[in-house]
Amino acid sequence: QPVLTQSSSASASLGSSVKLTCTLSSGHSSYIIAWHQQQPGKAPRYLMKLEGSGSYNKGSGVPDRFSGSSSGADRYLTISNLQSEDEADYYCETWDSNSVFGGGTKLTVL
Amino acid sequence: EVQLVESGGGLVKPGGSLRLSCAASGFTFSSYSMNWVRQAPGKGLEWVSSISSSSSYIYYADSVKGRFTISRDNAKNSLYLQMNSLRAEDTAVYYCARDRDSYGLIDYWGQGTLVTVSS
Repeated sequence: QPVLTQSSSASASLGSSVKLTCTLSSGHSSYIIAWHQQQPGKAPRYLMKLEGSGSYNKGSGVPDRFSGSSSGADRYLTISNLQSEDEADYYCETWDSNSVFGGGTKLTVL
Repeated sequence: EVQLVESGGGLVKPGGSLRLSCAASGFTFSSYSMNWVRQAPGKGLEWVSSISSSSSYIYYADSVKGRFTISRDNAKNSLYLQMNSLRAEDTAVYYCARDRDSYGLIDYWGQGTLVTVSS
């Protein structure tokens, strides 16, 4: 089973950019992942599907400020022009007969 | 518009049972695999169980295997989770979630239903 590793927290200033990282465990570097956003007190929301090539496909209504990229076993979520509503927990997910989630990154917008 | 609406959560004593339901609308329910994912208070997301579109393939997390049963009724556009022998550590918000495609990643989530196991 793959393991996904995320930093527990990140912070960035309003209007700036931030890049969150999700790292796939050894032997699973080619896996496709998804990014999900969970705002405080709300259900998770699907943001995008991200392949090892760096190609990504966003969900309906996801702002252009959100983009994805990849390098080796690392999968990135970049949020540009940070807004206050971007303050949330961000989870990566992959699949290998069942869904596997990373521990989540809590993003604080300063 | 895709909608997933969970119901059936509540307070139950250790050892008790509960049945969660998820009503789906806005898409062809019978074409998609579905999941239950839970989130304990202050914790991250934990996959619980999944079921394929025709119920041919069913999987469980080790933490619930033998106690929980997932099922679906495609005629009623509904997903279920029967939870037996509940423990305090099963306390969580339970989300119904749809698989995006055959790869298995989730693309839609319900609003969740809270299950509290306490005496």
